[in-house]
Amino acid sequence: GDSVTQMEGPVTLSEEAFLTINCTYTATGYPSLFWYVQYPGEGLQLLLKATKADDKGSNKGFEATYRKETTSFHLEKGSVQVSDSAVYFCALTSSILTGGGNKLTFGTGTQLKVEL
Amino acid sequence: DTGVSQDPRHKITKRGQNVTFRCDPISEHNRLYWYRQTLGQGPEFLTYFQNEAQLEKSRLLSDRFSAERPKGSFSTLEIQRTEQGDSAMYLCASSLSLLGERGSGNTIYFGEGSWLTVV
Repeated sequence: GDSVTQMEGPVTLSEEAFLTINCTYTATGYPSLFWYVQYPGEGLQLLLKATKADDKGSNKGFEATYRKETTSFHLEKGSVQVSDSAVYFCALTSSILTGGGNKLTFGTGTQLKVEL
Repeated sequence: DTGVSQDPRHKITKRGQNVTFRCDPISEHNRLYWYRQTLGQGPEFLTYFQNEAQLEKSRLLSDRFSAERPKGSFSTLEIQRTEQGDSAMYLCASSLSLLGERGSGNTIYFGEGSWLTVV
């Protein structure tokens, strides 16, 4: 079945450091790839997405490129801020449900802590 | 612009009691999903509605769980005879699909979740 593997956290960085959170996936077909972010006590917010190979998703300084050859979708940011502290989830959709719905398959999440 | 809203946000219940969660999706979104998230894990798919029809249920959804979306708008998730293992955050999400569309890139928007603690 489909699966997503993320690097384990927590990842602790100083403000303005460079961030990489690794994500690799296994899927049949041609998945769309997503990064969601979850702040403490809150639900999930879509951060960025890419729907086909070589697409780059970007938002709020974060970027991720859909790499089909390495089945990866690593999240990067050039300069992190304290406000970026959260849990980041990599996810994919490829299993088309009855009626055409999408089922998101998530990784286990990577906690990011940014310190001053 | 209102997002996906869930109620209640927090629920503490005794083992064996029934609980019900409500989800109001983004207006006009025809697809609605329920996920469950336990501490330190990513959300896991439970079930999915296309309008009022429940089209898919995960094996995670035991017989004690039932979900409805009677008019194709809001949805409820009921857990009967709760067990301590049901303690989790229950997330509702919604998305919009066009007729005949089968792409996997539709954005799914999540609510803030309903925390359940069974004591």
